[in-house]
Amino acid sequence: QVQLAESGGGLVKPGGSLRLSCAASGFIFSDYYMSWIRQAPGKGLEWVSYIGGHGITIYYGDSVKGRFIISRDNAKNSLYLQMNSLRAEDTAVYYCARRGMGQLHDYWGAGSLVTVSS
Amino acid sequence: QSALTQPASVSGSPGQSITISCTGSSSDIGTYDYVSWYQQHPGKAPKLMIYDVSNRPSGLSNRFSGSKSGNTASLTISGLQAEDEADYYCSSFTISSIMVFGGGTKLTVL
Repeated sequence: QVQLAESGGGLVKPGGSLRLSCAASGFIFSDYYMSWIRQAPGKGLEWVSYIGGHGITIYYGDSVKGRFIISRDNAKNSLYLQMNSLRAEDTAVYYCARRGMGQLHDYWGAGSLVTVSS
Repeated sequence: QSALTQPASVSGSPGQSITISCTGSSSDIGTYDYVSWYQQHPGKAPKLMIYDVSNRPSGLSNRFSGSKSGNTASLTISGLQAEDEADYYCSSFTISSIMVFGGGTKLTVL
């Protein structure tokens, strides 16, 4: 069965960096686009970034462009999000999600909380 | 890219039907049939309910249905049940090749 598990969240000071990881299993990882989606406390979902199966196609949302970097290691079935120049407004639960065949997110991890505070 | 517009809340009694709207623009919903809907219970990850406007994932109840007209998509839940109480989010692909979510709708089952 498809499983996604995020790790790497925690407390970081404004201006700092953090790297999130997402371990995938139960499917051929390289066949699928993958996304990061976040949810600030008490707020709605915000799409952050997605990456193609071989890491060539990459897009970012305007709020993170130039600060966050998405990447993947297909040999390790892992997705990453390098977050730099973090701001208080980046505080959120970060979900990794598989983009199914099309423009949908069919499987989601449980999420990893990132808190940006001094 | 602006978020899609959803009502903040809707409510209904058990057994009734409700509809949640999701309004976008010609840059997203109006151009693509790539609208999906997600259900999220408190403290849980979102769950895919509808994709490509009106398709249900395998095994999902047929009480959930989706449609689209112009720049507005809709999710209808019929035969409302207590467990349907949750937050619902719409999402669409856009002409900029990025994705956008709606602000979310809280469904209360009275």
